[in-house]
Amino acid sequence: NAGVTQTPKFQVLKTGQSMTLQCAQDMNHEYMSWYRQDPGMGLRLIHYSVGAGITDQGEVPNGYNVSRSTTEDFPLRLLSAAPSQTSVYFCASSYSAGFSYEQYFGPGTRLTVT
Amino acid sequence: GNSVTQMEGPVTLSEEAFLTINCTYTATGYPSLFWYVQYPGEGLQLLLKATKADDKGSNKGFEATYRKETTSFHLEKGSVQVSDSAVYFCALSDDTDKLIFGTGTRLQVFP
Repeated sequence: NAGVTQTPKFQVLKTGQSMTLQCAQDMNHEYMSWYRQDPGMGLRLIHYSVGAGITDQGEVPNGYNVSRSTTEDFPLRLLSAAPSQTSVYFCASSYSAGFSYEQYFGPGTRLTVT
Repeated sequence: GNSVTQMEGPVTLSEEAFLTINCTYTATGYPSLFWYVQYPGEGLQLLLKATKADDKGSNKGFEATYRKETTSFHLEKGSVQVSDSAVYFCALSDDTDKLIFGTGTRLQVFP
């Protein structure tokens, strides 16, 4: 199993550009989520999904869109990049939502917006 | 709302020293508690977890006990190694099905 994969590993965007961060998992997990990691702030939840066709907002959803058309894939779209979106983005999946289930994290995408 | 507070780092130790990283939480109900570790350039990995009061999670020599009376889940290891150098995150999962993280504590272990 590859686990959770993310592409690209690094990306530089100009303000106003759009892009999609890819996330895929091969563990047949129902629950997937996107976090951003910023210095001194830990990880903050952007969006999450409890299954194909179902998504919901997390703590910091503004400026990001998601969709979940298959169990395996959960892309994150930046509609119009802003410097405040410079961060490291992590995708995670788990068998089920929250509680005692372990979340498996991808290696991250480091995004810089100039 | 629910939250997790961790001691600020970096924590700098010599090899074989005793480690404690403090974590306290605020939550309604009975959350599950986790410690995740992030090695340089990698994503987070689950280190240990506890799902109810007085449970002790343990893995790779690390331990943490779920203390409901003090709302704490401190991470300890009796003898750290250079390879333990990483960022450690305390987290909780409540009945809203979301994982809430602390800000992370960087551990640096020198030979």
